[in-house]
Amino acid sequence: DTEVTQTPKHLVMGMTNKKSLKCEQHMGHRAMYWYKQKAKKPPELMFVYSYEKLSINESVPSRFSPECPNSSLLNLHLHALQPEDSALYLCASSQTGSGYNEQFFGPGTRLTVL
Amino acid sequence: TQLLEQSPQFLSIQEGENLTVYCNSSSVFSSLQWYRQEPGEGPVLLVTVVTGGEVKKLKRLTFQFGDARKDSSLHITAAQPGDTGLYLCAGVPGAGSYQLTFGKGTKLSVIP
Repeated sequence: DTEVTQTPKHLVMGMTNKKSLKCEQHMGHRAMYWYKQKAKKPPELMFVYSYEKLSINESVPSRFSPECPNSSLLNLHLHALQPEDSALYLCASSQTGSGYNEQFFGPGTRLTVL
Repeated sequence: TQLLEQSPQFLSIQEGENLTVYCNSSSVFSSLQWYRQEPGEGPVLLVTVVTGGEVKKLKRLTFQFGDARKDSSLHITAAQPGDTGLYLCAGVPGAGSYQLTFGKGTKLSVIP
């Protein structure tokens, strides 16, 4: 199984809502990532988890809260978002220790904040 | 901060033509990856190049890593409409690094 799955595919939320994005992989990868991608731009790294511990936070606003319940799951909790947070949110995973950091991406969640 | 300059930014060609996409940097990368992304989907890993001077072929796609590991190219022979998409190069700054340095992408359209 070389797949990273993400739910939901699409999400529309108001600025006062609380929602969560979910990501799952069964490749045995111990590094998992959240990226934000705006139209016609490359993905921007938000968070990295390594062995279920937060390893990198790229100065992301606190209205985004990541969680890694176990080695296969990664969540991104959303609260009080702004319209400019509308984007494609991508989850990725990779092996640790290989040195190559080959990342496998999920299909993404298209988020629209009204 | 390491940067990857990717060119061209846009490319529109007829089916059957050949093309080359370039990624250049002044910095050394321990490895470099190429991804293809279709609209509304996540990037799909095409190849990883690791050794300076390395050439890898994937059917009609040929990937090359520069001798100094600062640049890379993707050459597509006899492009087909199915090759349409956004091509991204991404460099790994150092072995064991979690971060990828992405190029800005090349949007390729192959017209039937």
